[in-house]
Amino acid sequence: QKEVEQDPGPLSVPEGAIVSLNCTYSNSAFQYFMWYRQYSRKGPELLMYTYSSGNKEDGRFTAQVDKSSKYISLFIRDSQPSDSATYLCAMSAEDSGGGADGLTFGKGTHLIIQP
Amino acid sequence: NAGVTQTPKFRVLKTGQSMTLLCAQDMNHEYMYWYRQDPGMGLRLIHYSVGEGTTAKGEVPDGYNVSRLKKQNFLLGLESAAPSQTSVYFCASNGGGYEQYFGPGTRLTVT
Repeated sequence: QKEVEQDPGPLSVPEGAIVSLNCTYSNSAFQYFMWYRQYSRKGPELLMYTYSSGNKEDGRFTAQVDKSSKYISLFIRDSQPSDSATYLCAMSAEDSGGGADGLTFGKGTHLIIQP
Repeated sequence: NAGVTQTPKFRVLKTGQSMTLLCAQDMNHEYMYWYRQDPGMGLRLIHYSVGEGTTAKGEVPDGYNVSRLKKQNFLLGLESAAPSQTSVYFCASNGGGYEQYFGPGTRLTVT
C-alpha cells in the first residue's frame, strides 16, 4: 500500500462550484501537510500548508486535516477556470519542507473547471 | 532573483547515452532535491542533498548519480540512459522552512 493515496481524476466541475480534493495516508508520523498546485508543463507551487489537525483558510481555499482518520482535504469555493490544474497533496514528518527526507506526494488530482 | 532554474528544458537520448541535468538556485538554500514525475506515479524522490558536498539516496535512486560541489548547484547524472528513465525531472530547493521551491522541469525522452 502506497503511503499516500489520491484519486488522479480527472475531476470536471462547472465554474462557481465548490470543489473537494482529498488524500488519505498511512504513516501516522506525518504532521506537516501541504497542497501544491501544478499547471500544465510547469513545476509545482505551494498553495496551502497545515500543521497537525485542523482547518486553515486562505481566500477561496480551505485546507482540512483529520489526523485521527489520516485524511486531508482541500476545498475550493467559487471555482474559476484559472483553478484548472493538477493538485498534489504532500506530507512530511519533518519540521520543514521535507527536510532531509523530502516530501511524500500523492499522485495528484487533475481538476478541470468548465466555463 | 530567478529562483530555481533547470537546464536543459528538453532532451532526447538514445539508450546507453549519458547526460547531466543541471539545477541552480539563487536563494542560498541548504536542501536540494531531484524528483521524477511519471503519469499515474506522482512525484518520486531520486536523490537529495542537505548541504554542499553531501548527497543521499531517495526512493528511486537506481541508474542516477548526483553531485553538489557548490551550494547553489545540484547535478543529476544518467550514466547509461534506459527507456524506463523517460520522465519529467524536477529539481527543488528548501531553505529550512516548510516550502519546497520547484524548477520548471526537464522533459527527457530515451529511445
